[in-house]
Amino acid sequence: DAGITQSPRHKVTETGTPVTLRCHQTENHRYMYWYRQDPGHGLRLIHYSYGVKDTDKGEVSDGYSVSRSKTEDFLLTLESATSSQTSVYFCAITPTGSGNGYTFGSGTRLTVV
Amino acid sequence: TQLLEQSPQFLSIQEGENLTVYCNSSSVFSSLQWYRQEPGEGPVLLVTVVTGGEVKKLKRLTFQFGDARKDSSLHITAAQPGDTGLYLCAGLYSSASKIIFGSGTRLSIRP
Repeated sequence: DAGITQSPRHKVTETGTPVTLRCHQTENHRYMYWYRQDPGHGLRLIHYSYGVKDTDKGEVSDGYSVSRSKTEDFLLTLESATSSQTSVYFCAITPTGSGNGYTFGSGTRLTVV
Repeated sequence: TQLLEQSPQFLSIQEGENLTVYCNSSSVFSSLQWYRQEPGEGPVLLVTVVTGGEVKKLKRLTFQFGDARKDSSLHITAAQPGDTGLYLCAGLYSSASKIIFGSGTRLSIRP
């Protein structure tokens, strides 16, 4: 019954290669977010979207770009992966903003070697 | 730097015991959320508290928002192995509609 799915679930890539992670939702929620989760740092916001083609940066956006060409899909791209981008990436959705709480996807574990 | 500190970072207790975890900040929040995260999964929203002094109960879990809306606590009564997980608090700043997450309390319940 998951209304949000992330793909792939796991990926290993080499330093310097581009990587795209996908978040797909079936809830028709307006807001979508990309977070990374690292030990000792909790969840940190990378980028978010408040509508189709409307995106903004979060606190750790360097080295990442996003695109949202339709309501249901939010893509996160690492232009040239670095070892510091090894992390677990979570997508989250919410209908009307952060105050309502997020529904998270199951995450993508990315390893950059 | 806006921080949301959770304590303890790790907690391992015996089944049936009670426990409390804390979420503290020097900043005032318009609301605060608690999530539980299991290994290999994303966080799942447990509760949102909005009013200073508010107490919410979810079965054996009791959540309290501080009177000044700078801190919160989660109390679990008679812990069970199914309570094991990473508990995250998240505070919402109304001025910028910005939310920050604490780094979590990892809870382990021994049978």
